[in-house]
Amino acid sequence: DTGVSQDPRHKITKRGQNVTFRCDPISEHNRLYWYRQTLGQGPEFLTYFQNEAQLEKSRLLSDRFSAERPKGSFSTLEIQRTEQGDSAMYLCASSSGHPGDQPQHFGDGTRLSIL
Amino acid sequence: GENVEQHPSTLSVQEGDSAVIKCTYSDSASNYFPWYKQELGKRPQLIIDIRSNVGEKKDQRIAVTLNKTAKHFSLHITETQPEDSAVYFCAAAETSYDKVIFGPGTSLSVIP
Repeated sequence: DTGVSQDPRHKITKRGQNVTFRCDPISEHNRLYWYRQTLGQGPEFLTYFQNEAQLEKSRLLSDRFSAERPKGSFSTLEIQRTEQGDSAMYLCASSSGHPGDQPQHFGDGTRLSIL
Repeated sequence: GENVEQHPSTLSVQEGDSAVIKCTYSDSASNYFPWYKQELGKRPQLIIDIRSNVGEKKDQRIAVTLNKTAKHFSLHITETQPEDSAVYFCAAAETSYDKVIFGPGTSLSVIP
């Protein structure tokens, strides 16, 4: 078990470009979460999945953001027509989804910088 | 929706002293309260969590208390060490596998 992995670790792009991030959860974790963290703030919830079903999206998530988890394993987060305000760390987490002592485990994140 | 507040935003203590971070939440449906530690440039890591059916939980030098009536919960770190220096986030959720709402964080500095 290698933990939650995210790719890429860093992404620098020009405003207006599209970007896509990938998250591989801990194997057999059926819940997968996306959060965004800006400097000096706590992570903000964006969306989460149970298997391939997207259960909830934050109202913070504009129409330019889309997330998928097509086979219930890895997930992708796409941002279209990036804006300066999208610069942040995008964190992925996973959990087993069962009751009990099953906290969310975070990946190292993808840092997005918009030029 | 849920809102989590956290105080203080920065905290500086001498090595060996105790540190206390306090949080409040707004949604009475929240029953799960994790605490995460985040070192600079690293992922948030769970250090302790508490559920609403208990009022206190301890793990070595770390303890958390929960007052569900007042919607308050606190983190206590005793005998602080320089390696405790980090940003600490309190958080709230309905369950451990629901979305987690984080507080704004407390930057703890332990001075040797």
